[in-house]
Amino acid sequence: QKEVEQDPGPLSVPEGAIVSLNCTYSNSAFQYFMWYRQYSRKGPELLMYTYSSGNKEDGRFTAQVDKSSKYISLFIRDSQPSDSATYLCAMTPRAGTALIFGKGTTLSVSS
Amino acid sequence: DTAVSQTPKYLVTQMGNDKSIKCEQNLGHDTMYWYKQDSKKFLKIMFSYNNKELIINETVPNRFSPKSPDKAHLNLHINSLELGDSAVYFCASSGAAFYGYTFGSGTRLTVV
Repeated sequence: QKEVEQDPGPLSVPEGAIVSLNCTYSNSAFQYFMWYRQYSRKGPELLMYTYSSGNKEDGRFTAQVDKSSKYISLFIRDSQPSDSATYLCAMTPRAGTALIFGKGTTLSVSS
Repeated sequence: DTAVSQTPKYLVTQMGNDKSIKCEQNLGHDTMYWYKQDSKKFLKIMFSYNNKELIINETVPNRFSPKSPDKAHLNLHINSLELGDSAVYFCASSGAAFYGYTFGSGTRLTVV
């Protein structure tokens, strides 16, 4: 079993839809959870990070962590064509150690 | 002002050559990393380095070696390049206080 599992998609939605992206993980030591967005031929860009369990909201984006289920989610409300990208979940047990990534989910939002 | 910068952006070279990729960060971070992203977009850690410790992913061939002249720089040297080394290589950095990790824009290496 891989440490971090993420459905690669692709996922296609119409503009305005609510998008749900998910990752599961096996290592209970993970404490920091991140979502990155990567546009084609660009570097990963940090969207959100959370520590331990709970929810965090930033504009149209909401990140949720459920450590008891080893499950994290990213919700995108009112999706826009500019949200079309690959979304990568990442996690680590503590600051200053390497991030472990999921394989990424490719999202396409059509206008 | 770019936080994490990598050079070159593109690198095309022949099998058997030796090449280097440079990385610099101006964030004052303590730890730097090299990641390899394959054709399916999977990002895999290669090295983690701070001024005290180098952590090497055991799956990385010893043809790859990181070199850090100072805290703000972590270069990647690759000897005897192989076709399978073709990928995008990303440098990243992080600080002691957790605010996420910052990535460079990547170096696209093509071995022919």
